[in-house]
Amino acid sequence: ENVLTQSPGTLSLSPGERATLSCRASQSVAKDYLSWYQHKPGQAPRLLIHGASSRATGVPDRFSGSGSGTDFTLSITRLEPEDSAVYFCLQYAVDPLTFGGGTKVEIK
Amino acid sequence: EVQLVESGGGLVQPGGSLRLSCAASGFTFSSYWMNWVRQAPGKGLEWVATIKADGSETLYVDSVKGRFTISRDNAKNSLFLQMNSLRAEDTSVYYCTGGAGWLIEYWGQGTLVTVSS
Repeated sequence: ENVLTQSPGTLSLSPGERATLSCRASQSVAKDYLSWYQHKPGQAPRLLIHGASSRATGVPDRFSGSGSGTDFTLSITRLEPEDSAVYFCLQYAVDPLTFGGGTKVEIK
Repeated sequence: EVQLVESGGGLVQPGGSLRLSCAASGFTFSSYWMNWVRQAPGKGLEWVATIKADGSETLYVDSVKGRFTISRDNAKNSLFLQMNSLRAEDTSVYYCTGGAGWLIEYWGQGTLVTVSS
């Protein structure tokens, strides 16, 4: 299976700063079928990015995805208090689907 | 507004059975692949099972093959997971998810299944 490793485990930043989250795959992700999600406590996870770089409907342009092959990045610019959450990646190119372990973003 | 609402979780003894349900609304359920994804306490997310839009094909993670069955009722916009021969390691929050193909677009809030004596 394609193992996804996310780093860092936790990111503590101030409002207005930029967050850079990494998702590294053990094998190349075909067709860049890599998505990112935001998960707040007590809520359903929310799709942010699919196809490595395409924003889902209604997602602010402060969120952007990039990367290809085995290295992918989620960037969040101009951090807001509401961005506090766990962010995780998913590769949906091959069965079994696999998830990254998540990055917790804390807003100081 | 898309909603996926899971139900049926709870405490069950090892070797027991449980049936999870998921009620879907706000999208064309019959056109979407549906999945169950779980997260054990303190662990990462794990894909459990998928059923294609028309129910013609199902897939499972190796650890649940022969014990779990995913099914759907497109007339009632509902997804199910029949879990038999439950083990302590099946203890998790189970999420109902769906998407156009393998991409997961929608998630429920999850239902907790605890397997313990």
